[in-house]
Amino acid sequence: GQQLNQSPQSMFIQEGEDVSMNCTSSSIFNTWLWYKQDPGEGPVLLIALYKAGELTSNGRLTAQFGITRKDSFLNISASIPSDVGIYFCAGLDSTSGTYKYIFGTGTRLKVLA
Amino acid sequence: ETGVTQSPTHLIKTRGQQVTLRCSSQSGHNTVSWYQQALGQGPQFIFQYYREEENGRGNFPPRFSGLQFPNYSSELNVNALELDDSALYLCASSRGTAAVVEAFFGQGTRLTVV
Repeated sequence: GQQLNQSPQSMFIQEGEDVSMNCTSSSIFNTWLWYKQDPGEGPVLLIALYKAGELTSNGRLTAQFGITRKDSFLNISASIPSDVGIYFCAGLDSTSGTYKYIFGTGTRLKVLA
Repeated sequence: ETGVTQSPTHLIKTRGQQVTLRCSSQSGHNTVSWYQQALGQGPQFIFQYYREEENGRGNFPPRFSGLQFPNYSSELNVNALELDDSALYLCASSRGTAAVVEAFFGQGTRLTVV
């Protein structure tokens, strides 16, 4: 099935560092979302973006909706140990008349204390 | 805590068997979507149920089927299990089909096929 490309695939960072990750698609989306998934849990919505060029923050998280509508970026500032997890981007696809998420391949984040 | 509950949390089945997974949606939500998440991958859309009717399907064979009940809870049935069906199965509930941005995921059912 279709998946969006996320990079990096995984990253180790020191506590307190800033983190950047991105997500690219061959298709245009009108809504981009970022999720975090902890082991044994379902994805939890972090940020939703509705407009090309939009920059939205949620605490230490900031996400941007790419101007081409084919990409999105997530930044985490001053990382802390509980930021560990897998971050997924998702595009909201409604082309077939059903609203469904197309997820990325994930970025696995590990924070070293 | 999202209010979306799935059962069972873990399950082991033998190839060729059939399995039923269950999802209770959040109060007030009438739409349930099911996703399959293979190890190391992002979730893949299986299908969606709205008001007890299937409302869209991903690229999954007919042996994946579902139901939605009048209380909006849902079941995912998989027949003739294959080894590749081993995955985390997630359901997400929302208030209406276009409100899926506000969908909440359950914790998932981990299915292992041996």
